[in-house]
Amino acid sequence: AQSVTQLGSHVSVSEGALVLLRCNYSSSVPPYLFWYVQYPNQGLQLLLKYTSAATLVKGINGFEAEFKKSETSFHLTKPSAHMSDAAEYFCAVSATFNNDMRFGAGTRLTVKP
Amino acid sequence: GAVVSQHPSRVICKSGTSVKIECRSLDFQATTMFWYRQFPKQSLMLMATSNEGSKATYEQGVEKDKFLINHASLTLSTLTVTSAHPEDSSFYICSARDLSQTYNEQFFGPGTRLTVL
Repeated sequence: AQSVTQLGSHVSVSEGALVLLRCNYSSSVPPYLFWYVQYPNQGLQLLLKYTSAATLVKGINGFEAEFKKSETSFHLTKPSAHMSDAAEYFCAVSATFNNDMRFGAGTRLTVKP
Repeated sequence: GAVVSQHPSRVICKSGTSVKIECRSLDFQATTMFWYRQFPKQSLMLMATSNEGSKATYEQGVEKDKFLINHASLTLSTLTVTSAHPEDSSFYICSARDLSQTYNEQFFGPGTRLTVL
């Protein structure tokens, strides 16, 4: 079975500061890992995904994440936060050979002016 | 890119009535669609996996007779909340897997806000 743990239900940063959202996974098989963003009353938008190719994955809106097998982590970063980055972020894991996708509890990102 | 739509986006109904929510993949074929439920300030909880032409697979604790799922074509799945009650009020989100994709990526619909009075 797969699962993800997102450390910190709420992260607050100043505009222009580094964004770091933490995600650790558990999987008995090589995982596929995803980061999604959700704005209020909307569905989920894919930011980026890890599919066993490059360990450093670049996504949309300047976000990137690094897959670290030794740490079972897939933390999301962005060098400089923008006000429009304020949203809920979900990390998700999917096993290689089945359909299930399991989501973390989510991290709400607040960006202060 | 792959687009998934949901209809309606918002619905308010009286207790005891049934509500149908549609999920459509607009520009790709989806053999598998997923239905999630999200309570305020919480994560998505998988309710069921819907496969085209076969019965849906429900997660533990989800009443299949209350949440009826039909996946009649490669582009349409429906969720019917039968005899809805106020505790069924929630944000329902569907997603679909693109047949041509190999990385289990799911494309999400915009969600349906259900309020049961």
